[in-house]
Amino acid sequence: DTAVSQTPKYLVTQMGNDKSIKCEQNLGHDTMYWYKQDSKKFLKIMFSYNNKELIINETVPNRFSPKSPDKAHLNLHINSLELGDSAVYFCASSVGGGGTEAFFGQGTRLTVV
Amino acid sequence: AQRVTQPEKLLSVFKGAPVELKCNYSYSGSPELFWYVQYSRQRLQLLLRHISRESIKGFTADLNKGETSFHLKKPFAQEEDSAMYYCALANTPGSEKLVFGKGTKLTVNP
Repeated sequence: DTAVSQTPKYLVTQMGNDKSIKCEQNLGHDTMYWYKQDSKKFLKIMFSYNNKELIINETVPNRFSPKSPDKAHLNLHINSLELGDSAVYFCASSVGGGGTEAFFGQGTRLTVV
Repeated sequence: AQRVTQPEKLLSVFKGAPVELKCNYSYSGSPELFWYVQYSRQRLQLLLRHISRESIKGFTADLNKGETSFHLKKPFAQEEDSAMYYCALANTPGSEKLVFGKGTKLTVNP
């Protein structure tokens, strides 16, 4: 019954590798997001999709590429991982239309070694 | 550009004491303000939003447009309130961007 689910929950990988994090929501929401939470707990938006269309792309390295096969899924692919990419990545979804509650996944803790 | 400031990174109070977590925002339009909470090892979840004017778990927050603030208050803190609290702002209606403050870690001591 999980509303927003991310896989994997933990990911440990070496520098230079390519990895993906998957996100699925069963709430019927039109909008999905990726947020990055750094070691200081600072939460920053990375991307936002509405009905499979990219609408927000913050200043994020090109190594990060979101993909939305349908409006219930928003995956995050990261190329050439760097130490600084280590963080917790949160997926979220909302009804959309601005100013609506965001429902978050449990987060994926990425550790790059 | 919109900005959310939470001046206190850490806040520690004793059980039963009042608590106030500060939040100030910078935005030229009419904002939608929220408080999100993240308990230990749990996902981020909505605590309350200013338009609903609710009291959730004893917490309230009033939007003060003159002071551009949205402080979170509770008259009597409980140990289970210990968590990370984020103030967030949604900008222009129709936009999907939700901007978070840097968060305040609240610790309620017994």
